[in-house]
Amino acid sequence: AQSVTQLGSHVSVSEGALVLLRCNYSSSVPPYLFWYVQYPNQGLQLLLKYTTGATLVKGINGFEAEFKKSETSFHLTKPSAHMSDAAEYFCAVTHGAGSYQLTFGKGTKLSVIP
Amino acid sequence: DAGITQSPRHKVTETGTPVTLRCHQTENHRYMYWYRQDPGHGLRLIHYSYGVKDTDKGEVSDGYSVSRSKTEDFLLTLESATSSQTSVYFCAISGIEGGSYEQYFGPGTRLTVT
Repeated sequence: AQSVTQLGSHVSVSEGALVLLRCNYSSSVPPYLFWYVQYPNQGLQLLLKYTTGATLVKGINGFEAEFKKSETSFHLTKPSAHMSDAAEYFCAVTHGAGSYQLTFGKGTKLSVIP
Repeated sequence: DAGITQSPRHKVTETGTPVTLRCHQTENHRYMYWYRQDPGHGLRLIHYSYGVKDTDKGEVSDGYSVSRSKTEDFLLTLESATSSQTSVYFCAISGIEGGSYEQYFGPGTRLTVT
C-alpha cells in the first residue's frame, strides 16, 4: 500500500523567504503525486500534480514541486513567501492504472511571518 | 471551481441520532468520495462510489453508510451518531479524465455530536 510522510506539521518562514515543504512517499508502482492547499474553513484546492513526463511541475500561486524517484520525494517550493501563502498543505499519492483512491499526508501548516 | 456543494454546512446533533450529509455535483463525474478531516490525521477516506449504486468502504468506514442513486448525489449517513464522529466531512469528485486521477473537493460540513 502507498503512504505519504510530510516532514514537519508546522513550518514558519519570513515573508520573502524560500518556502520548502517536504513530502516523501512509498509506492510499489509509479505514483501520481499531488499537492493540495487548504485555507481556513475551506475545502482543499489542487495546487499542482505530477503524473508522467517532466519531473519539475509548476502550479498555481508560484509554487512548484520536483518528483525525484531515487529519493521517493515530491517536495513543494516557492522562491518567495507571501502572507497569503499561510495555509495548510497536503501531499497525496495515488496509483495510475485503475487505482482511484488518494492517500494523504497529515498536512503541514505554513505560517508566514511579516 | 468544480461544481460541488455539500449540505448542511454545519450541524450539531445529539449522540444516538441519525444524520445524513449530502454531496451534490454538477460535473457528471463518475467517482465520488467522502473523507473526514481531524487534527493530526489529515484526510481519511470513509467510503467512495465508482458509479450509481456502486460503492465501497474506505479506511474508516465503521459507523457510516452511503448511497448513490443518481450520478450527481452521494449521501453519507451516520446511523447513530457518536462523539467520535465529530469532525469536518469533505466530499470529493473525480472523473479520471486523461488518466490523472486528481480529485476536487467540496467546501465541507462541520459536524458536532454532543
